[in-house]
Amino acid sequence: DTGVSQNPRHKITKRGQNVTFRCDPISEHNRLYWYRQTLGQGPEFLTYFQNEAQLEKSRLLSDRFSAERPKGSFSTLEIQRTEQGDSAMYLCASSSTEVVPDGNTEAFFGQGTRLTVV
Amino acid sequence: AQSVTQLDSHVSVSEGTPVLLRCNYSSSYSPSLFWYVQHPNKGLQLLLKYTSAATLVKGINGFEAEFKKSETSFHLTKPSAHMSDAAEYFCVVSPGSARQLTFGSGTQLTVLP
Repeated sequence: DTGVSQNPRHKITKRGQNVTFRCDPISEHNRLYWYRQTLGQGPEFLTYFQNEAQLEKSRLLSDRFSAERPKGSFSTLEIQRTEQGDSAMYLCASSSTEVVPDGNTEAFFGQGTRLTVV
Repeated sequence: AQSVTQLDSHVSVSEGTPVLLRCNYSSSYSPSLFWYVQHPNKGLQLLLKYTSAATLVKGINGFEAEFKKSETSFHLTKPSAHMSDAAEYFCVVSPGSARQLTFGSGTQLTVLP
């Protein structure tokens, strides 16, 4: 396993179109997270899953945003009716809830999908 | 609630001189704290993490950070900068596990020859 994989790496779309991004986490990780990063800012938490359950989605930016993780493995993030303000880098991360000696777990990030809405 | 403030948006140092990237946090509980680095066209990479064990934390590539509860700070240091250290650095706070990471706005480190 080579880490968290995100596809596509770049997406250019016209305003009003729907887009879907895919994230494949590290295979033994049961937690998966989505973040958004705009230019000059740190990543902003959107939502996360533990296995197939979406445990936090109140931070999704609007009802145009939705995420799924149907079999507890890969996840998709969909944006409907895209707007220019949706242009950003969308990051996926994964982690494990397995107890580790230092009492914490590390999130591993993918390289992101850069969305440009024109 | 939790938040992170990175006190400098840009830091410029000469190669071979010390690096100091400043971070203050706010948290209503005992936080976990992290530093991540982001190189252009690469994913975020964990440099180091504090999880209530030793207050001085050593990370990869010679970086260290010291947790100071009284000052609510978690500054990142390195004794001698290398050209390859040029990147964006993020201070991050979490309520425990990696469940919901709150990132600072980042510090862009430039290393001059």
